[in-house]
Amino acid sequence: GAGVSQTPSNKVTEKGKYVELRCDPISGHTALYWYRQSLGQGPEFLIYFQGTGAADDSGLPNDRFFAVRPEGSVSTLKIQRTERGDSAVYLCASSDGPLSEQFFGPGTRLTVL
Amino acid sequence: GIQVEQSPPDLILQEGANSTLRCNFSDSVNNLQWFHQNPWGQLINLFYIPSGTKQNGRLSATTVATERYSLLYISSSQTTDSGVYFCAVEGASGGYNKLIFGAGTRLAVHP
Repeated sequence: GAGVSQTPSNKVTEKGKYVELRCDPISGHTALYWYRQSLGQGPEFLIYFQGTGAADDSGLPNDRFFAVRPEGSVSTLKIQRTERGDSAVYLCASSDGPLSEQFFGPGTRLTVL
Repeated sequence: GIQVEQSPPDLILQEGANSTLRCNFSDSVNNLQWFHQNPWGQLINLFYIPSGTKQNGRLSATTVATERYSLLYISSSQTTDSGVYFCAVEGASGGYNKLIFGAGTRLAVHP
């Protein structure tokens, strides 16, 4: 079946603007994760959803970052008042439950000018 | 939190050579995954291997959970094996359900 998909693949915005990044998980996967990868580093955890609820948001860097998953499938990561330091690749992953293999999408490359 | 260290950081091989990549972790884990990140940035699942040994074609992996390390073996390397190899773990105590990644091993295979 289809893998994890993310849109847009690239997003260029100006400092101070608001952006939304979308993730479509593998059909039937109840767990969804957001990670952020800076150049030359491994991905870093941001937030984990089990169903509709955020079970762990300890990785969100500050209150400008927020994510939702209202129907337990698609998720949107929202970033307010973007800063140049937010520039990175934002990765989404899904799994069929906790402690299960995670599968990653292709990522959204965010550039804040 | 749990620490993940990968070695070597960089590796250059001639096509056809074999290699071993290592992942050390600082605490007990419930999950360990190996990924290959291709030049386009896609993370490709290689192994889900919290313990034991698995093989898939030219690749194999072994995790010795009691000694807190995992090894990824690449045999008869090809230029398409180039990219970054990541080890990622889910800690068994606190902070589970999130993968903690190592810094990666950057592999270049030359023809």
